[in-house]
Amino acid sequence: GAGVSQTPSNKVTEKGKYVELRCDPISGHTALYWYRQSLGQGPEFLIYFQGTGAADDSGLPNDRFFAVRPEGSVSTLKIQRTERGDSAVYLCASSLNPIWYAESTHTDTQYFGPGTRLTVL
Amino acid sequence: DQQVKQNSPSLSVQEGRISILNCDYTNSMFDYFLWYKKYPAEGPTFLISISSIKDKNEDGRFTVFLNKSAKHLSLHIVPSQPGDSAVYFCAASARQTGANNLFFGTGTRLTVIP
Repeated sequence: GAGVSQTPSNKVTEKGKYVELRCDPISGHTALYWYRQSLGQGPEFLIYFQGTGAADDSGLPNDRFFAVRPEGSVSTLKIQRTERGDSAVYLCASSLNPIWYAESTHTDTQYFGPGTRLTVL
Repeated sequence: DQQVKQNSPSLSVQEGRISILNCDYTNSMFDYFLWYKKYPAEGPTFLISISSIKDKNEDGRFTVFLNKSAKHLSLHIVPSQPGDSAVYFCAASARQTGANNLFFGTGTRLTVIP
């Protein structure tokens, strides 16, 4: 079946502009995660959705970052007043169930999309 | 504060030999560990996982070993194949706390030489 898809694959913007990054999770997956990967680093957690609600947004770096998942499927990560330091690959992942639900199964395995490379000039 | 560490940024191995990738963690609440593999321009792909109640998990050519007392895990690939060349990320989660996110290491680039 189809995996996690993300659009656009690349986004170049100017400092101060607003950007939206889209994630289409695997059909039926209730949990959705956003991560950010800077050069030479591993992915860093930003936000987690269970259904339509943001259950954990502790990883968002500041209030310029916001994400929504209005119908419990597609999610959009929104960045206002972009800064050069926001340049990174933004990764989306989905899982059938969240980590805390699946203690003895593997239905919480997170499947990642290809990412959106954001460059802020 | 890097809670998951991969101290070797790169590793080169001859085809057919064993590849051993290492990972250390500092958070004693971590109870579930995963390895992901990443090719250029693709997202990380899940490879293998292990719960803290086990010390070994095997899947084909891939085996993960967990040493809880040392807070150390390793991924063994045997025999290594050229198609295994990729960046490998170690990740951990603290299921027991109800936390939902994964903590990743910085990755190790594996090159398998034909």
